[in-house]
Amino acid sequence: DGGITQSPKYLFRKEGQNVTLSCEQNLNHDAMYWYRQDPGQGLRLIYYSQIVNDFQKGDIAEGYSVSREKKESFPLTVTSAQKNPTAFYLCASSPRLEGTQYFGPGTRLLVL
Amino acid sequence: RKEVEQDPGPFNVPEGATVAFNCTYSNSASQSFFWYRQDCRKEPKLLMSVYSSGNEDGRFTAQLNRASQYISLLIRDSKLSDSATYLCVVTLRNQFYFGTGTSLTVIP
Repeated sequence: DGGITQSPKYLFRKEGQNVTLSCEQNLNHDAMYWYRQDPGQGLRLIYYSQIVNDFQKGDIAEGYSVSREKKESFPLTVTSAQKNPTAFYLCASSPRLEGTQYFGPGTRLLVL
Repeated sequence: RKEVEQDPGPFNVPEGATVAFNCTYSNSASQSFFWYRQDCRKEPKLLMSVYSSGNEDGRFTAQLNRASQYISLLIRDSKLSDSATYLCVVTLRNQFYFGTGTSLTVIP
C-alpha cells in the first residue's frame, strides 16, 4: 500500500527533553512538510523540504529541527527550546512544491 | 493579516439539506485552491481541487471567484457522514495556507 506513515501515534515529552517524530512516505514524492495544529487554529507550517538534503523554515520553525537524508524520510525533532510543544503534528508530502498534499495520520505530542 | 479566512461555524443542518461554505483569500497572486475534509482527531484529506471554471464531484460543487478572491463549497443532500471540519487551502509562492476550518454537523 502506498502512503504516508507517522510514528508514534502518541508521544509524551518530559521537560528539557528532545523528541523525534518519524515520517515516512513510499509515494516517491519529492516534497515533504511538517505542520502543527492547535485547537481552533489552522495548520501552521514548521519546515518543508523540496528535495533530498534540502529543507526550508516555515512560519514557526523555532524550537524544531529536521533532516532529509533520504527521499522517503523527513523526521522532525522537537527540541527543549520549544516551550509549548503540546499539539497535533502532521506530516505531508506532495509530488512537487505546490502539488496536492497528502497527509499522514499525525502524532499527538503531550508534555508531562 | 491571514492569507485565508473561513467562517468557523458551526453549521448544524438537517439531513438532506444543502449547505454552502465560503472562504476568502487575501493575496491575488494565490495560485491553487483546494478543499480538505478533516474528521475529529484525524488528518486532513483532500476533498477536491477548485478550478476557475468550477467543478463538481457528486454532491459537492466547488467554485472560485478570482475577482472577489473567494472560493466556495456547496454540499447538496447532506448525509450524516458529511459531518466534519472543512478546510480551505490556497497556495502562494510554493506554500500551502490553511484556513482554520468550518465545522459541519448533519443532524438526523
